[in-house]
Amino acid sequence: DQQVKQNSPSLSVQEGRISILNCDYTNSMFDYFLWYKKYPAEGPTFLISISSIKDKNEDGRFTVFLNKSAKHLSLHIVPSQPGDSAVYFCAARPGAQKLVFGQGTRLTINP
Amino acid sequence: DTGVSQDPRHKITKRGQNVTFRCDPISEHNRLYWYRQTLGQGPEFLTYFQNEAQLEKSRLLSDRFSAERPKGSFSTLEIQRTEQGDSAMYLCASSLEASGSPYEQYFGPGTRLTVT
Repeated sequence: DQQVKQNSPSLSVQEGRISILNCDYTNSMFDYFLWYKKYPAEGPTFLISISSIKDKNEDGRFTVFLNKSAKHLSLHIVPSQPGDSAVYFCAARPGAQKLVFGQGTRLTINP
Repeated sequence: DTGVSQDPRHKITKRGQNVTFRCDPISEHNRLYWYRQTLGQGPEFLTYFQNEAQLEKSRLLSDRFSAERPKGSFSTLEIQRTEQGDSAMYLCASSLEASGSPYEQYFGPGTRLTVT
């Protein structure tokens, strides 16, 4: 039962353009959502989060949008840089609980 | 460096042997989590502690797995009688759970286990 899904295993974007990573969830109890970035042989690094009471949160080049009615969130990276190339994981949690992760999307930024 | 640390970073063991991993969380964090990640998948929850109390265990955590956090600081994860299916990256994370605090969990670099 995959409660958090990232349907795109990979995404390739030109440097300087916008990267949009998508995530869908099924559990209505999720009330906090997070994005993590992971390089090979390292642990996930926290990027940005959003509470279910908001529909947008912005931090520098990163913006997360939440559409609760569609049970969908997205991460926008503008402008994309070569150092953004990594695997991105969407995660969700129902209150003060464990995280449930998606399968990840490998983002490649092309020069 | 005051982040989450894990030791060892890599472990190769033969099937049937026991292994133990250690995690040192961020010092002021009261929650500690263990996850497992296999190739092509996101991390999967194994268990978590609030201070020294183990509050939840996943059904993924068979009887061969045991975790402790004896003094509410570092934690150990032991796998007994390892099987090839235990080969994975074992990740530790910590967070500060308190009223009004953010829910972000911060991860360590992981321990890569290979069972031959």
